[in-house]
Amino acid sequence: GQQVMQIPQYQHVQEGEDFTTYCNSSTTLSNIQWYKQRPGGHPVFLIQLVKSGEVKKQKRLTFQFGEAKKNSSLHITATQTTDVGTYFCAGPNTGTASKLTFGTGTRLQVTL
Amino acid sequence: DGGITQSPKYLFRKEGQNVTLSCEQNLNHDAMYWYRQDPGQGLRLIYYSQIVNDFQKGDIAEGYSVSREKKESFPLTVTSAQKNPTAFYLCASSLRDTNQPQHFGDGTRLSIL
Repeated sequence: GQQVMQIPQYQHVQEGEDFTTYCNSSTTLSNIQWYKQRPGGHPVFLIQLVKSGEVKKQKRLTFQFGEAKKNSSLHITATQTTDVGTYFCAGPNTGTASKLTFGTGTRLQVTL
Repeated sequence: DGGITQSPKYLFRKEGQNVTLSCEQNLNHDAMYWYRQDPGQGLRLIYYSQIVNDFQKGDIAEGYSVSREKKESFPLTVTSAQKNPTAFYLCASSLRDTNQPQHFGDGTRLSIL
């Protein structure tokens, strides 16, 4: 079945350093979504990318969708302690409307 | 205020007992989902429903059951057949389209007594 992997599983950075998580799907995706889950909380939708090669920015966060629409990345510039959490990518399941396959997640820890 | 409400926040199950987790949404979404999350892990789909009176098994449906009698409600029963039920359970909803984001409730933490 469809698999969505993320690397790294965990990253610990000092505040002010940059961070990147990579998402790879075993199948071509019509779109990719990114979610953030704070410790003890629930996933919250961040953004969706639809076009091949698309790049979107939200303040310090930059999201990219690969040319082949099988991979994506999230880059955070100058991390802050508020960025702590687990970041998940998710892609539509082939053949099933509305169902998503979530990636394995990358947990980000930021210390002062 | 629109959103998804899960209850209870914490739940304890005794051996051999069935327990039901509640999920209610007032977002007027057709599709609803149940996920299981184990510590440090991703989200695994248990069941999903795209319309009232219809639902499909996800990747880990064994030991669980659901119903979808109303658009707003999608309760999940963890049966005694689920031998390792301790986990964080998340309910989500969305419009019925692959381009729509999912909105999550606050979750229910289930533990075995």
